[in-house]
Amino acid sequence: DAGITQSPRHKVTETGTPVTLRCHQTENHRYMYWYRQDPGHGLRLIHYSYGVKDTDKGEVSDGYSVSRSKTEDFLLTLESATSSQTSVYFCAISAVVGTPRYTFGSGTRLTVV
Amino acid sequence: SQQGEEDPQALSIQEGENATMNCSYKTSINNLQWYRQNSGRGLVHLILIRSNEREKHSGRLRVTLDTSKKSSSLLITASRAADTASYFCATDDRSGNTPLVFGKGTRLSVIA
Repeated sequence: DAGITQSPRHKVTETGTPVTLRCHQTENHRYMYWYRQDPGHGLRLIHYSYGVKDTDKGEVSDGYSVSRSKTEDFLLTLESATSSQTSVYFCAISAVVGTPRYTFGSGTRLTVV
Repeated sequence: SQQGEEDPQALSIQEGENATMNCSYKTSINNLQWYRQNSGRGLVHLILIRSNEREKHSGRLRVTLDTSKKSSSLLITASRAADTASYFCATDDRSGNTPLVFGKGTRLSVIA
């Protein structure tokens, strides 16, 4: 989607290795979010950021860390990937938390083998 | 958890028919939003309805909100094959200062 890009789009990694996913925005929005999408669970919030170096945990934060050193970049790190972290990861941005609307990236499909 | 529940989980209709999807949630909200997701893509915002609104329209979309029942419905009229997608409701809390919580979605198939 225009204004937000995720990289990589696809990744296969081995159990126990660290993985970093990147979300980059050009909208200068204050809020950025990481969600994971799994069959039967919909989208679940992992972490979010409400400004540079300001982050907070979501519903499923265990095993994940985030960093935001610049307004435009929000990184999601799996410290030691596990098979349960195989998922599709979506980044989203918003100018105001909750409203008026989120803009989503195209997602990163991560497979942990 | 505040997570909304969409109903039905899957819906298959013929082109030209109307499609209705429902969403229930658990706690008081500031607003409710509906998003659409095409296969393999990110979610796209469709419409937002505030807690003090009962109905809202946007093109072929009609959304209703019943805060007393903590439920919302999304109606797509005169459906097209291109409407085939998954549809999600999303809610915040009454303060409006929390990240959106998304439901599990309804998968809509429109058969030409």
